[in-house]
Amino acid sequence: DVKVTQSSRYLVKRTGEKVFLECVQDMDHENMFWYRQDPGLGLRLIYFSYDVKMKEKGDIPEGYSVSREKKERFSLILESASTNQTSMYLCASLDRTGKGANTEAFFGQGTRLTVV
Amino acid sequence: AQSVTQPDIHITVSEGASLELRCNYSYGATPYLFWYVQSPGQGLQLLLKYFSGDTLVQGIKGFEAEFKRSQSSFNLRKPSVHWSDAAEYFCAAPSYSGAGSYQLTFGKGTKLSVIP
Repeated sequence: DVKVTQSSRYLVKRTGEKVFLECVQDMDHENMFWYRQDPGLGLRLIYFSYDVKMKEKGDIPEGYSVSREKKERFSLILESASTNQTSMYLCASLDRTGKGANTEAFFGQGTRLTVV
Repeated sequence: AQSVTQPDIHITVSEGASLELRCNYSYGATPYLFWYVQSPGQGLQLLLKYFSGDTLVQGIKGFEAEFKRSQSSFNLRKPSVHWSDAAEYFCAAPSYSGAGSYQLTFGKGTKLSVIP
């Protein structure tokens, strides 16, 4: 059974703290993604990675960074957490099968981060 | 870039009634389209996907979707809704990001409420 695992379901952090959100997939997928989800705004792409040590900015990268040292692990880093980063964070892994955009994304359970 | 629009933010139906959730996409060529479902507090689960061929696609949990190029739509349907279908539904499409990588663009989601 395919699996994307996020290290925490719930986190509470203080303003200014450095926060690490971890995501691991066991499907040998090349592409991994971090989204944040807020009511009324849907899923917004923060960063994605299509290979080890490769990263690309998504739509809302400000205040975030990422790390992909191994294929199976993709970490999201909040350098200095702020209250407006309180949100649900979803990690996804993308299976690119066949040619072209024959893709299917698998999601972790999400991390509910509260910054106080 | 690919964009996906879900015109309905919130839909309420009675249990046993039929359901149609709307999704419109913007892309010139034949797109690849997905529907995902998110139960409260959970990650996203793939319901169904369209790549090519038959325009009526069957998915899990009794859902189906029809691709209509003339209307740029990929609407999700279910003939008889169950209370357990209450969730948020997302339409998505992949877009090429360069260097052989793809990202998924999501609509803002439609929240489905089911009246017993």
